[in-house]
Amino acid sequence: QSVLSQPPSVSGAPGQTVTISCTGSSSNIGAGYDVHWYQQLPGTAPKLLIYNNNNRPSGVPDRFSGSNSGTSTSLAVTGLQAEDEATYYCQSYDILSASRIFGGGTKLIVL
Amino acid sequence: QITLKESGPTLVKPTQTLTLTCTFSGFSLSTIGVGVGWIRQPPGKALEWLALIFWNDDKYYSPSLKTRLTIDKDTSENQVVLKMTNMDPVDTATYYCAHIPHRKLANWFDPWGQGTLVTVSS
Repeated sequence: QSVLSQPPSVSGAPGQTVTISCTGSSSNIGAGYDVHWYQQLPGTAPKLLIYNNNNRPSGVPDRFSGSNSGTSTSLAVTGLQAEDEATYYCQSYDILSASRIFGGGTKLIVL
Repeated sequence: QITLKESGPTLVKPTQTLTLTCTFSGFSLSTIGVGVGWIRQPPGKALEWLALIFWNDDKYYSPSLKTRLTIDKDTSENQVVLKMTNMDPVDTATYYCAHIPHRKLANWFDPWGQGTLVTVSS
């Protein structure tokens, strides 16, 4: 069981907006540690999507955005496209375990 | 352009030691702030951080696997080696290495290697 909790799946139709939550605790997100998001397309390695909560690496469309609130963070995907169908992981640091931690992953299904 | 590639055995027997090599290009592990990490993913499951090493040879391990892991670097060869002892079938996973562009506790990994699937079976 992951220290960062994500819903197993979310879905949306093309053009819609979906959000993926990542819930932590006072020893990680709530302690102010930055959160990063990765996109993993089927059969491929994870790719950095958002770093330091709300920053996009070059080449990542501005349809992807991140936000924090207390002990949780969210990834929003606007203008959903078929190519966005993938599994998304959040990642941060936990001071209690002194460990880099990942969420359990959320499969985004484009209807 | 930064690239990383994992190499090692695809099949190991229980109790054996796994040795994986990450060979990279496009950066140097002598550059201040830079590091390389290892992450694994069992089939159909989530990502799990294993270990990381920085330019100054600082090393960090997952607490749950610390007794079984060793990470080292060969700066001149642009390689990072991960060793995991006493392999078990539950260690069957795709093992990834990844570049760490900036040292911090909540560091991110970018980019990642393609991964290598390691199966543990007798």
